Amino acid sequence: NAGVMQNPRHLVRRRGQEARLRCSPMKGHSHVYWYRQLPEEGLKFMVYLQKENIIDESGMPKERFSAEFPKEGPSILRIQQVVRGDSAAYFCASSPLLSGRADTQYFGPGTRLTVL
Amino acid sequence: AQRVTQPEKLLSVFKGAPVELKCNYSYSGSPELFWYVQYSRQRLQLLLRHISRESIKGFTADLNKGETSFHLKKPFAQEEDSAMYYCALIPFPNAGGTSYGKLTFGQGTILTVHP
Repeated sequence: NAGVMQNPRHLVRRRGQEARLRCSPMKGHSHVYWYRQLPEEGLKFMVYLQKENIIDESGMPKERFSAEFPKEGPSILRIQQVVRGDSAAYFCASSPLLSGRADTQYFGPGTRLTVL
Repeated sequence: AQRVTQPEKLLSVFKGAPVELKCNYSYSGSPELFWYVQYSRQRLQLLLRHISRESIKGFTADLNKGETSFHLKKPFAQEEDSAMYYCALIPFPNAGGTSYGKLTFGQGTILTVHP
């Protein structure tokens, strides 16, 4: 099992461009979480998705940010019209089907977004 | 809303010395507490969780509900323990489904173990 995959590992965008970050969960995992780590801060929850469903997006900025986890393919975190304040490390985590307790989340290596 | 505080951003000890990484939390219900570790150039990985009550790599952590703390301890630090450590919380039981599985992290503590 290759673990949670994220690509690209590094992404540079100019202000106003779009950023697309991809996350492939571990095999057999149907739950995906996205977290953001701003410089000098801890990881902050953004969104929790299951296949074709957004379960909790309470941590997502109201504008410009969206996420999806289609039936086929990776989960995508999309940031439109990026601004310098979006520069951060974005981490994806996956977990298996929840069985009544909070299952362990397995993290990807992260995507480091730099906005020029 | 829940909150996790790690008061020490940096912690340095010598090899063989005891180490304690502090973690305090605020949450009105019963949380599930975790310690995650990130070694240099590696991804974030789970070190231990309080419900397991196990010792991983010599580390232990006890949930103290009275003091709302979940400090990470190791009696004899090793150089390979040098890493970034994050304390994290998940509300439990399921708070209506909207916060299930959502980890709240502290800001992290960089542990350096000197030879």
